[in-house]
Amino acid sequence: GAVVSQHPSRVICKSGTSVKIECRSLDFQATTMFWYRQFPKQSLMLMATSNEGSKATYEQGVEKDKFLINHASLTLSTLTVTSAHPEDSSFYICSASHSGGTDTQYFGPGTRLTVL
Amino acid sequence: AQSVTQPDIHITVSEGASLELRCNYSYGATPYLFWYVQSPGQGLQLLLKYFSGDTLVQGIKGFEAEFKRSQSSFNLRKPSVHWSDAAEYFCAVGAGDDKIIFGKGTRLHILP
Repeated sequence: GAVVSQHPSRVICKSGTSVKIECRSLDFQATTMFWYRQFPKQSLMLMATSNEGSKATYEQGVEKDKFLINHASLTLSTLTVTSAHPEDSSFYICSASHSGGTDTQYFGPGTRLTVL
Repeated sequence: AQSVTQPDIHITVSEGASLELRCNYSYGATPYLFWYVQSPGQGLQLLLKYFSGDTLVQGIKGFEAEFKRSQSSFNLRKPSVHWSDAAEYFCAVGAGDDKIIFGKGTRLHILP
């Protein structure tokens, strides 16, 4: 149990376009979802925390107008990278928690975004 | 502020040899501590976690970790590594507000 999926697994887009990444909890209801970004050979950096039905909380330095997060249901959160640029190319990973505690974060497989 | 340090960027061991990956943390209260493994291009898999109680924690795939408060450490160990253990390993600390702070990771290479 506790499976988290992400779609797409890979996406290539042109500079200036927007890209939407979905994160789904397949067999549990996720009250909280987290979005991370991972640069090559680097650690995961938390971008934002989203709770179902409320606005996401962004970490310092993360542009909320650039990275739009929607957590419309207990099983789905989306991250939209708006007007993507090559520097947005990265590995984006989501995690989901059904109780909100750090002991229950389950990670998705990640999405590789390449902006040309 | 909470932080996690993994001093070794790369570790190379021979298959069948023992392994220890180092992790030090900085946290004001009793920490929640985690070890995750990431295979190339993949998400993270939880190996083990420590919240309280027995300081020696057993995880999946034959891994264990020991919490040492006096040393602010949570080192990961395995008595005999397999070629399939080659991956990136992340130590992490629960930072409150449901957040997890990750270390920079240690890349494990296995020699045949």
